[in-house]
Amino acid sequence: AQTVTQSQPEMSVQEAETVTLSCTYDTSENNYYLFWYKQPPSRQMILVIRQEAYKQQNATENRFSVNFQKAAKSFSLKISDSQLGDTAMYFCASQTGANSKLTFGKGITLSVRP
Amino acid sequence: EAGVTQSPTHLIKTRGQQATLRCSPISGHTSVYWYQQALGLGLQFLLWYDEGEERNRGNFPPRFSGRQFPNYSSELNVNALELEDSALYLCASSLGLVLRDTQYFGPGTRLTVL
Repeated sequence: AQTVTQSQPEMSVQEAETVTLSCTYDTSENNYYLFWYKQPPSRQMILVIRQEAYKQQNATENRFSVNFQKAAKSFSLKISDSQLGDTAMYFCASQTGANSKLTFGKGITLSVRP
Repeated sequence: EAGVTQSPTHLIKTRGQQATLRCSPISGHTSVYWYQQALGLGLQFLLWYDEGEERNRGNFPPRFSGRQFPNYSSELNVNALELEDSALYLCASSLGLVLRDTQYFGPGTRLTVL
């Protein structure tokens, strides 16, 4: 069974600063994918970034990057130059095997202060 | 390109009634996933359809059912509604059975059971 743990329920960051959101996961599979999704108050779930477990290089998407530590089963999201529009709930998720479902963490509420 | 669409946006039912939620995937996507986001329970996988077949099912009672139509749109039916079925129901679509396909989400249907 897969599990995804986000232990911080909420965080706050000043606009233009950098913030890191933590996530750990557990799986017995060798082939899996990890995701960060963002859910703003509008509730639309938006893909932020994706990491393939077989790739050693950390994924980056503009201001968003991950620190993927496979041995430690850790997958943190770094948001640089935080913007007000980054205010949202962020979910870490994993996907393995043929069942293809996403397993989500409980999410973290990020507030960006002006 | 149009994203995943869901209807209705809001649905209010009373206990014991049936609810039908609809989802249209991104053009070219054959897989549709349903997730339930209930307060305090996080995001939980409900059902996965691909090419008209149910591929996987989450840990939900049989009164949660669905189907996928030839045009790949999907319907989620919830029979004998209970108060705890009140939640945001999210639909996602992806290209198909390949593991590497990212799931893209719709805006959700908010179901309220009175």
